[in-house]
Amino acid sequence: EVQLVESGGGLVQPGRSLRLSCAASGFSFSIYWMSWVRQAPGKGLVWVSRINSDDGDRLYADSVKGRITISRDNAKNTLYLQMNSLRAEDTAVYYCVREYWGSFDFWGRGTLVTVSS
Amino acid sequence: EIVLTQAPGTLSLSPGERATLSCRASQSVSSRYLAWYQQKPGQAPRLLISGASSRATGIPDRFSGSGSGTDFTLTISRLEPEDFAVYYCQHYGNSYTFGQGTKLELK
Repeated sequence: EVQLVESGGGLVQPGRSLRLSCAASGFSFSIYWMSWVRQAPGKGLVWVSRINSDDGDRLYADSVKGRITISRDNAKNTLYLQMNSLRAEDTAVYYCVREYWGSFDFWGRGTLVTVSS
Repeated sequence: EIVLTQAPGTLSLSPGERATLSCRASQSVSSRYLAWYQQKPGQAPRLLISGASSRATGIPDRFSGSGSGTDFTLTISRLEPEDFAVYYCQHYGNSYTFGQGTKLELK
């Protein structure tokens, strides 16, 4: 069974940093492209970042470029999202998602990041 | 950047009725990379349709997708009580884009 379990969310002050993790199991993690998608409270889905299978290519939404870094450890079956200089508008549930041919076929349950003083 | 516009914003229907949800792209897109998702309150989204018309594993055949170019449609042939949710379309091109969502509510 495919499982994606996010962790690392919480309450953080504006300007601070946070690192999210996503533990993957039940599939060959190392061959899949992975993304993070976020959803602000009561709002729609917004794609944040994508990494290809061997970490040779990373893509970011314009809204987070320069502040967020996606990475992966295929030996540990884990996806990461390093978020720096956090802003109130980064407040959202962050979902770890597996990509298959441009669509997102498996989603974690999400981890809530709240940026507030 | 491609923008996906979903219509209507809210659709009020009854169980047993047919639902037709629209997703319009700001420019022609490849149907190969057009997907639909369902999200229920408090849950993560679930993939329904990929490649504009291929149902994901385990998705009932009352869900169908169609379209090409700039206009895509998700149809639910006969609504079941569990189908009332928010639906999003999504495209992958140079980046990834979601529509703003259509809320399907119980009439």
